[in-house]
Amino acid sequence: AQSVTQLDSQVPVFEEAPVELRCNYSSSVSVYLFWYVQYPNQGLQLLLKYLSGSTLVKGINGFEAEFNKSQTSFHLRKPSVHISDTAEYFCAVSDHSGYALNFGKGTSLLVTP
Amino acid sequence: DARVTQTPRDKVTEMGQEVTMRCQPILGHNTVFWYRQTMMQGLELLAYFRNRAPLDDSGMPKDRFSAEMPDATLATLKIQPSEPRDSAVYFCASGSGTSGGEPGELFFGEGSRLTVL
Repeated sequence: AQSVTQLDSQVPVFEEAPVELRCNYSSSVSVYLFWYVQYPNQGLQLLLKYLSGSTLVKGINGFEAEFNKSQTSFHLRKPSVHISDTAEYFCAVSDHSGYALNFGKGTSLLVTP
Repeated sequence: DARVTQTPRDKVTEMGQEVTMRCQPILGHNTVFWYRQTMMQGLELLAYFRNRAPLDDSGMPKDRFSAEMPDATLATLKIQPSEPRDSAVYFCASGSGTSGGEPGELFFGEGSRLTVL
C-alpha cells in the first residue's frame, strides 16, 4: 500500500514570503502524486499532480511541486504567498491503478500580514 | 457549473439512530469515493465505486456502515446504528480517467458534517 507523510502540521509564514510544504511518500511501486487544498468549510480541490514526465509540475495559484524519486518526496512550493493562500494542504498518492488516493494528515498554512 | 452535491450538509443525531448521506456525482464521472475527515485521523478512504460497482470498502466498519450506488446519479452512505465516534465530516468525490488511462482530477463535494450525540 502507498502512504504519504506530511512533515509539518502547521506552517506560519508572512505575506509575500516563500513557502515550502513537505511531503514524503512510501511505496514499493510506481505512484502518482497530488496536492489538494481545502479552504474552510469546503471540499478539497486539486492544486497539481505528477503523473509522469517532467519532475517539476506547476499548478494553480502559482504553486509548483517537484517529484524526487530518490528522496521519495513531492514538496510543494510557492515563491510569494498571499493571505488568501491560508488553507489546509493535503498531499496524496495513488498507485497506477489510479483509483483511490491516500491522503496525508494535512498541513495548515497560515499567512499573516 | 458541474459540481458534486452532498446532502445533508449538517446532521445532528442521537446514538443508535440511522443516518443516510447522499451524493450526486458529476454527470459522466465513472468513479465515486467516500472519505471521512476527522482531526485525529485526517482523511480516510471508506469506499469507492467504478461504473457503479464497488471496488473497495475495506476502510469501512462493515457491521454498521454500508455504501451503495443505486444508479449513476446517486451514491449513498448509511450508518446504522450510529455511534458518537462516527462524528466527522464525510466527503464524496467523483472523477474519471483520462484517455491515456491516467487518473483525472477528483472533484469533492462540500461534505456532510455528522454529529452523533
